[in-house]
Amino acid sequence: GQNIDQPTEMTATEGAIVQINCTYQTSGFNGLFWYQQHAGEAPTFLSYNVLDGLEEKGRFSSFLSRSKGYSYLLLKELQMKDSASYLCAVREPTGGGNKLTFGTGTQLKVEL
Amino acid sequence: EPEVTQTPSHQVTQMGQEVILRCVPISNHLYFYWYRQILGQKVEFLVSFYNNEISEKSEIFDDQFSVERPDGSNFTLKIRSTKLEDSAMYFCASAGPSGMEFFGPGTRLTVL
Repeated sequence: GQNIDQPTEMTATEGAIVQINCTYQTSGFNGLFWYQQHAGEAPTFLSYNVLDGLEEKGRFSSFLSRSKGYSYLLLKELQMKDSASYLCAVREPTGGGNKLTFGTGTQLKVEL
Repeated sequence: EPEVTQTPSHQVTQMGQEVILRCVPISNHLYFYWYRQILGQKVEFLVSFYNNEISEKSEIFDDQFSVERPDGSNFTLKIRSTKLEDSAMYFCASAGPSGMEFFGPGTRLTVL
């Protein structure tokens, strides 16, 4: 079956670094995505990993270990506007293409 | 920067009525998707569409649902005989050759 696990909530301080973990067990794997979602809005793309290792993109980095079924999203120099839900999603191959299977999201609260 | 657009932003309908949710994907994208997110829950895959046909659909996407690409720009989701439990945010997404999915702003469907 499909299972994507991430913590429900995290709290961090402005200016700090936070790491959001995601573990997955899916029937297929064709990449792992991280999205940011503010309440009532659409998910916005943050990062994508298909090979093992670290992908860095400004204040955001994402790491993938396919053998461990594990990824994390690292947010540096936290800002108040980073308060949002962070969604881990696995892209799974299907008969005619791909589909994204999402975790439940990690609600991050950034405090002063 | 090109983006996925969706109309309407909010649709209110009576139980049993039919609704059509509209999406304009990014112009050079070839893969199209519908997802839904019930309030407080995770984003769920509904259907993927490629080359003018459905390539994959989830268990949620039963005979009540249909998709269409009536012209070169629009991609629609029709929900027949709506039920209270169809109330959710419906997100359209599109992807190009890289496979990275970009989401539209969503349509909030409220069934009364």
